[in-house]
Amino acid sequence: GENVEQHPSTLSVQEGDSAVIKCTYSDSASNYFPWYKQELGKGPQLIIDIRSNVGEKKDQRIAVTLNKTAKHFSLHITETQPEDSAVYFCAASYGSSNTGKLIFGQGTTLQVKP
Amino acid sequence: SQTIHQWPATLVQPVGSPLSLECTVEGTSNPNLYWYRQAAGRGLQLLFYSVGIGQISSEVPQNLSASRPQDRQFILSSKKLLLSDSGFYLCAWREGGPGNTIYFGEGSWLTVV
Repeated sequence: GENVEQHPSTLSVQEGDSAVIKCTYSDSASNYFPWYKQELGKGPQLIIDIRSNVGEKKDQRIAVTLNKTAKHFSLHITETQPEDSAVYFCAASYGSSNTGKLIFGQGTTLQVKP
Repeated sequence: SQTIHQWPATLVQPVGSPLSLECTVEGTSNPNLYWYRQAAGRGLQLLFYSVGIGQISSEVPQNLSASRPQDRQFILSSKKLLLSDSGFYLCAWREGGPGNTIYFGEGSWLTVV
């Protein structure tokens, strides 16, 4: 069945350093890959997404890359700040595109030390 | 702008009692609606989705059910809760059609005791 593997499960960086989170997916038909940030006790918030016809997308300090051949996609956060500390989830679409179903990775807890 | 409301925010229920979690979306019409569950320290698992009124699809066999009595209302229910139903339940929506963003509500913490 469909599966998304996310690594690492925890990541600790110093403020100002970069953080990279990687995901692999199993369904070659997946064509939409969002990333969500979840703070404690809250719902996930979309931070960036990428579609299968694009290899890279950037939004200020956040970037996402997609390698369709290898079925890998990654989140890159540069110049990390303490407020970036949260749990980050990757996801991949599956099934009919009209249903919008997503399968999620297990999450990465990012800690940015001041 | 669109908003999503989910309630109650927290709930403590005894085993065997019923459950009703409600979600409404404002500012859009005919959205796709979703219920996800998040166990402690885990990822999100899709439980149900709906592409229209009265249309419910279940993703996993479980003790829960969902209903969509109105276009922008989605309800998660159980007749008899189990301990294993404890978790963080998230309602989500997106505009119908392919490739649109999914937005989550703030979630409901359910503890079954």
